[in-house]
Amino acid sequence: GNSVTQMEGPVTLSEEAFLTINCTYTATGYPSLFWYVQYPGEGLQLLLKATKADDKGSNKGFEATYRKETTSFHLEKGSVQVSDSAVYFCALSAPTGANSKLTFGKGITLSVRP
Amino acid sequence: DGGITQSPKYLFRKEGQNVTLSCEQNLNHDAMYWYRQDPGQGLRLIYYSQIVNDFQKGDIAEGYSVSREKKESFPLTVTSAQKNPTAFYLCASRDRGRVTRNEQFFGPGTRLTVL
Repeated sequence: GNSVTQMEGPVTLSEEAFLTINCTYTATGYPSLFWYVQYPGEGLQLLLKATKADDKGSNKGFEATYRKETTSFHLEKGSVQVSDSAVYFCALSAPTGANSKLTFGKGITLSVRP
Repeated sequence: DGGITQSPKYLFRKEGQNVTLSCEQNLNHDAMYWYRQDPGQGLRLIYYSQIVNDFQKGDIAEGYSVSREKKESFPLTVTSAQKNPTAFYLCASRDRGRVTRNEQFFGPGTRLTVL
C-alpha cells in the first residue's frame, strides 16, 4: 500500500537558520505530493504541492521538489522565522482522480526560537 | 468567504454517550472526509464520501458512523463502541475539478474529550 515516511522530530532551530525536513514515499503509479502545515490548535493548511516528477512546489519561502528517482519530497526553507513554528505533514494522493485519498506522514514539530 | 466550519471547537462527553460532530462546507465540493489526529500519529482516515447519499469506510471506521444527506454537510457520530474516542477530529473536503482535484481543504477541527 501507499505510505509516507517523515524524519523524526521535533526540530528546534534558531531564527534565520536553514531548514530541511525529509520526506520519502511508497506508492503505486504516479502520486501527487503535498506539504501541509498545522499551527497550534488549528486545522491543516496546504503549504505547497507537486503533481509530477521534477515539479517544484513553492510557497512562503518554502520549496520541495518531486524526486521520482529517490521517491522523495523534502521540504526546505533558506531562513526560518519564529512564525514558522508549527507541525508539518508530508502527504501523497494516489490514485489520482475521483477516488483519490490522502496518505499522511506522522508529522514533525518545528520550533523556531528568536 | 468560502470554507469549512466545524463545531464545536471543544467538546466534552461522558463515557458511554454518543456524540455528533458537525462539519459544513460552502465550497460546493463533492467529496468530504473525516480524520482523527492523535499525538505523534499523523492523520488517520475514518470515513469519506464522494457524493451525496454515499460514503465509504476509511482505515479506522470502527465505532464511528456518518451520513451525507446534503452536499454541504457530513456529520460524524462517535459512538459508545469507540474504545478511545478522545482525539482531535478534522473534517476536509475536495473539489473534483481537474486542476485542484487532489487537494483537500481542512476545517479548524474539534477536540473531543471523553471523561
